[in-house]
Amino acid sequence: RKEVEQDPGPFNVPEGATVAFNCTYSNSASQSFFWYRQDCRKEPKLLMSVYSSGNEDGRFTAQLNRASQYISLLIRDSKLSDSATYLCVVMGNQGGKLIFGQGTELSVKP
Amino acid sequence: DADVTQTPRNRITKTGKRIMLECSQTKGHDRMYWYRQDPGLGLQLIYYSFDVKDINKGEISDGYSVSRQAQAKFSLSLESAIPNQTALYFCATSEDKDTQYFGPGTRLTVL
Repeated sequence: RKEVEQDPGPFNVPEGATVAFNCTYSNSASQSFFWYRQDCRKEPKLLMSVYSSGNEDGRFTAQLNRASQYISLLIRDSKLSDSATYLCVVMGNQGGKLIFGQGTELSVKP
Repeated sequence: DADVTQTPRNRITKTGKRIMLECSQTKGHDRMYWYRQDPGLGLQLIYYSFDVKDINKGEISDGYSVSRQAQAKFSLSLESAIPNQTALYFCATSEDKDTQYFGPGTRLTVL
């Protein structure tokens, strides 16, 4: 079983739609959680950290469920520019090492 | 100017050749990392370094070596390249257990 698992998609949605991605992780001792965004074959960039209390940044909301070991990302009012691959990332209990999911591809259509 | 740079950006080489990929950063971070990315797979950690005197193997270190020449420089070497090392390679830096910042990537093809 992979340490971090995501549905690879692709998710094809119209502009303005709301879309949600989930991610599960296997190490219950994981300490920190992130969503990174990666445009086609470019470098990953941090989208947002995920906190236990949940957090929101504009149209993006991230939530963490430690009991069930999953992380979610909700994107409201999708824009064409949201088209990218979204990487679920977990920092293990060995400090500083990130474990990446394979990514979920999102395509927002006009 | 970019904070994390990688050279070369693209490289085509032949099986058996020695290849060095270089990474430089101006962020002043102590921690540096090398990852590879294959289509349909997440980034896999090759090596990481938490300071100049610290080098650690990642998930897939076989066939690779690294050198941390200075705080700002971390090089990845393929001693004898093989075709299944064809991939996109990323360098990253971080300050302690904080966000990792990635370089633009090096696309390596081994024929």
